[in-house]
Amino acid sequence: GAGVSQSPRYKVAKRGQDVALRCDPISGHVSLFWYQQALGQGPEFLTYFQNEAQLDKSGLPSDRFFAERPEGSVSTLKIQRTQQEDSAVYLCASSVITVYEQYFGPGTRLTVT
Amino acid sequence: SQQGEEDPQALSIQEGENATMNCSYKTSINNLQWYRQNSGRGLVHLILIRSNEREKHSGRLRVTLDTSKKSSSLLITASRAADTASYFCATDSTGANNLFFGTGTRLTVIP
Repeated sequence: GAGVSQSPRYKVAKRGQDVALRCDPISGHVSLFWYQQALGQGPEFLTYFQNEAQLDKSGLPSDRFFAERPEGSVSTLKIQRTQQEDSAVYLCASSVITVYEQYFGPGTRLTVT
Repeated sequence: SQQGEEDPQALSIQEGENATMNCSYKTSINNLQWYRQNSGRGLVHLILIRSNEREKHSGRLRVTLDTSKKSSSLLITASRAADTASYFCATDSTGANNLFFGTGTRLTVIP
C-alpha cells in the first residue's frame, strides 16, 4: 500500500511481558517518528530516526522503551516488562525528510492488564 | 508535556452549522498544522499554515494564526456528520525533531 502501516493493530499484554510494535513507513521516506497517545490526549513524541540513525530519543519515558530501524526502512518499538501506564496508542509517522510533513499510520493500541 | 492546548475540549453542533476550535501554544514556531483523527484511526493532515501567514483556506476549512498571541483557530463551515472526529493542532519549531500536539477538540456533528 501507499501509506504507513503498523502491526499489530491491537495488542493485549500481561504486566511484565515484552512487546514489539512494527512500523512500515512509506517507501523512500527518510524520517520516521514514534509517538505515544494516551486516551483522550494528543500524541506525544517518543523518538526520531533519519534513515537508520536514531537522532532523538528524548521522548522515551524509560529505559524499558527501545526503538530500532536497522536498515533504514521498517522500524520496531520494543517495550520491555510492560506496565499498566504503558497502555496507549502508539503511532508511527514518516516523512520524506521534513518534520512538518508527516504521514501517520493507524496506530497500535496496547493494553496492559 | 504537550506544547499546546485546545478549546473547547468538546463541541457538539447541528449539521450545517459552523464549528470553531482554538489552539494555543507556548514557544516560537515555524509552522502550525491541523490534523483530524477519527475514532480508532491515525491522524490525517488537514492544513498547514506558516508562521509568516495569518490566514489560509482549504475547501470548507479556514485557519488563522496570531503569532503575537501564540494562538490559532480552525473554522469548519457547513459541517457534515462525517466531520465528527477529534481535531488536533501541531507545531514545529527550529531545533526540534518532532511535532508538538495540542490536547485536541472532540467535535460531534449531529445529523
